[in-house]
Amino acid sequence: DAGVTQSPTHLIKTRGQQVTLRCSPKSGHDTVSWYQQALGQGPQFIFQYYEEEERQRGNFPDRFSGHQFPNYSSELNVNALLLGDSALYLCASSLATFVSTLTGANVLTFGAGSRLTVL
Amino acid sequence: GENVEQHPSTLSVQEGDSAVIKCTYSDSASNYFPWYKQELGKGPQLIIDIRSNVGEKKDQRIAVTLNKTAKHFSLHITETQPEDSAVYFCAPHGNQFYFGTGTSLTVIP
Repeated sequence: DAGVTQSPTHLIKTRGQQVTLRCSPKSGHDTVSWYQQALGQGPQFIFQYYEEEERQRGNFPDRFSGHQFPNYSSELNVNALLLGDSALYLCASSLATFVSTLTGANVLTFGAGSRLTVL
Repeated sequence: GENVEQHPSTLSVQEGDSAVIKCTYSDSASNYFPWYKQELGKGPQLIIDIRSNVGEKKDQRIAVTLNKTAKHFSLHITETQPEDSAVYFCAPHGNQFYFGTGTSLTVIP
């Protein structure tokens, strides 16, 4: 059973460029969330997609955008890259119908991440 | 947003000893409290979680305790093994997951 797969694993960009990262969720999952993890820090929530729509968003500028496709896979796009965008970008998938009625929280399965370096 | 703190930031223990990591949070609406383990080059992996109606949960060598009044929960690992070496994150959930800054655990053989 394939888990969450992300591509590319590593990439290098220069300031001002644009980048697209891709994620395939775990088989059977329908919800995808994206996180940014700076070196030595915990992951920070960027946004979540369900039914091809952005359902929730963290404190990130509009330069960060995403998309979810009918097969539940997702893309994260970052425009006008800044040096501070250098980080590990993590995709996490979950099953919307498995949201706990008690807590409203999904159980997340993470991919290994895409390491972005901005020079 | 939620203010999440983890202590200690680094922890070294001898193999076979116990390790305890504490997480404090600020949002009283938080009601789901997971712990994640992240090994080098991998994404975080859920190792144990607890819901707000339970005070303690145990899974073999791992346990989590919750004090909602004081707004903290702790990860307990007993009989530590070298493969427990990793970075551990707490991630209390209110309306979204807020991850702590992590605790780097080293188990010395």
